[in-house]
Amino acid sequence: QLQLQESGPGLVKSSETLSLTCSVSGDSITSYPYYFWGWVRLPPGKGLEWIGSINHGGNTYDNPSLRSRVSMSVDTSKNQFSLHLRSVTAADTAVYYCARLTFQRYFDYWGQGTLVTVAS
Amino acid sequence: DIQMTQSPSTLSASVGDRVTLTCRASQSISAWLAWYQQKPGKAPNLLIYKASTLENGVPSRFSGSGSGTDFTLTISGLQPDDFATYYCQQYKSPPWTFGQGTKVEIK
Repeated sequence: QLQLQESGPGLVKSSETLSLTCSVSGDSITSYPYYFWGWVRLPPGKGLEWIGSINHGGNTYDNPSLRSRVSMSVDTSKNQFSLHLRSVTAADTAVYYCARLTFQRYFDYWGQGTLVTVAS
Repeated sequence: DIQMTQSPSTLSASVGDRVTLTCRASQSISAWLAWYQQKPGKAPNLLIYKASTLENGVPSRFSGSGSGTDFTLTISGLQPDDFATYYCQQYKSPPWTFGQGTKVEIK
């Protein structure tokens, strides 16, 4: 059974960079060459927002609303992928989820989520 | 971006009820729509993809329908475990977008 787990600081200061890592277990990221691995967030009182996605080869695509601040990377040797969101503000406070995107691009496996609070 | 609008935002129902949730896309997405269930403090759980295909392990009381711009998720015989928030997501074209959610609460 594929499992995903987010890790990273729960508190980030305003204007700094939010960095999260998703560890994948149960299978190798490289076993799914046509799948992507992505990040979705849930701000308090709001709906889900897709942030961006990366595949095992490091190809990325992201939400234009966040593109200028987002970077992602993948480490296949550790079976992990990471998110970096620069210049955060209070509006970036949210529960951040990592998830697998199927070939068709819906999300079939999710991490449990991690709350990140941006403090001024 | 394709905007997804869900209605109602909150739905009050009783165990055993048949409930219908609606999701509307701002442009045609064919059948490229998924539904998720989310409980407080938990990750979203995939219920349905391609508008009407039930994910493995999802109870048959859940069903989805629609194509183009209008979609529905129906729960036939609401169970205590079904009280949650439901989201739709389009995957016709990026950026992948979600509706704002419908919270199904106990009447």
